[in-house]
Amino acid sequence: EVQLVESGGGLIQPGGSLRLSCAASGFTVSSNYMSWVRQAPGKGLECLSVIYSGANTYYADSVKGRFTISRDNSKNTLYLQMNSLRAEDTAVYYCVRGLGDGLGLDYWGQGTLVTVSS
Amino acid sequence: DIQMTQSPSSLSASVGGRVTITCRASQSISSYLSWYQQKPGKAPNLLIYAASSLQSGVPSRFSGSGSGTDFTLTISSLQPEDFATYYCQQSYSTPYTFGQGTKLEIK
Repeated sequence: EVQLVESGGGLIQPGGSLRLSCAASGFTVSSNYMSWVRQAPGKGLECLSVIYSGANTYYADSVKGRFTISRDNSKNTLYLQMNSLRAEDTAVYYCVRGLGDGLGLDYWGQGTLVTVSS
Repeated sequence: DIQMTQSPSSLSASVGGRVTITCRASQSISSYLSWYQQKPGKAPNLLIYAASSLQSGVPSRFSGSGSGTDFTLTISSLQPEDFATYYCQQSYSTPYTFGQGTKLEIK
């Protein structure tokens, strides 16, 4: 059974850093494209970052230069390092598996809430 | 960036009814279009990928169509559990943008 379990969210002051983790089971993270998608309170969905099976990465302009996506194949875990956090980064962050190149996002984690506030 | 525009933003319908939600891309995305359902407090759930392919486990009352710039999600014979928010997403080119969502409510 495919499962994605995020951790690492919480309350952080503006300018601070957090690292989100996503422990995967039931499949191999390095064999699929993986993504982080966020949803601000009461708002829609935003795809922040993607890491492809070949390790190429993509970032939305809103987080480019501040966030870094990575994976640890030995732990079958996806990460999102978030630096220089801003109030507008407050959201639920979802770890998501890509169904296949150019196809949909078929498995989503439960989400972890990041609140950026002083 | 490719802009995805859904219409309507909200609609109300009755159990047993049929609804159609439209998603328009700002440029051609071939068939790289997915639909998701999201219920309050839950993660989205993939319904349709590649514009018209039904994700495993999704009821057949959900169907998708379209290619290029215009796409539709149709739900036939609405069930109580179908009242939720629906999003489209293009995966033709990064950033993989979502539509703004369509909230489906019970009439």
